[in-house]
Amino acid sequence: GENVEQHPSTLSVQEGDSAVIKCTYSDSASNYFPWYKQELGKRPQLIIDIRSNVGEKKDQRIAVTLNKTAKHFSLHITETQPEDSAVYFCAASIRGNKLVFGAGTILRVKS
Amino acid sequence: DTAVSQTPKYLVTQMGNDKSIKCEQNLGHDTMYWYKQDSKKFLKIMFSYNNKELIINETVPNRFSPKSPDKAHLNLHINSLELGDSAVYFCASSHVVAGSYEQYFGPGTRLTVT
Repeated sequence: GENVEQHPSTLSVQEGDSAVIKCTYSDSASNYFPWYKQELGKRPQLIIDIRSNVGEKKDQRIAVTLNKTAKHFSLHITETQPEDSAVYFCAASIRGNKLVFGAGTILRVKS
Repeated sequence: DTAVSQTPKYLVTQMGNDKSIKCEQNLGHDTMYWYKQDSKKFLKIMFSYNNKELIINETVPNRFSPKSPDKAHLNLHINSLELGDSAVYFCASSHVVAGSYEQYFGPGTRLTVT
């Protein structure tokens, strides 16, 4: 079955710096890759996603890149702010039906 | 105007009891899911229903039984609760038939078994 590995498990950055979180997936049939942000005690919220027919997608300060050959995708957050502090999860699925999540990255933005 | 809602938000119960969690979505989605998030924050899918039909049934003890009375509702019943069932249970929904893969999560139900 699908397996998703996520690195790093924790990431501390200074406010204004960039943050990068990386994920690899095992099933080459996966075609949908969302990223979720989860604040303490809250629900996971979809922040950006990418499909396998696209290499990169950007939404303001966040961007996701996908390398299908390497089965690798990454989340990039620029100009980080304290409110970006949260747990970030990557996931992979085939046609969106069964999301397999990475183990999560705790992002701390220090002001 | 909440899109995906769950009740109750908190559930504290003793080992051996039976309990239910309810989920409702008003997004008009056709697919609903149950996820379990353990103490290490790991999120894992348990079940998925599409138009009231069970389509995903992961390796979950048969003490867990989902039920979908209609497209907008998905409930989770748990028999003979065990300490290891303590977790946050999230419901989610998506509109697969429309080719929209985005899943939207409910607020979660924190289950504590003592």
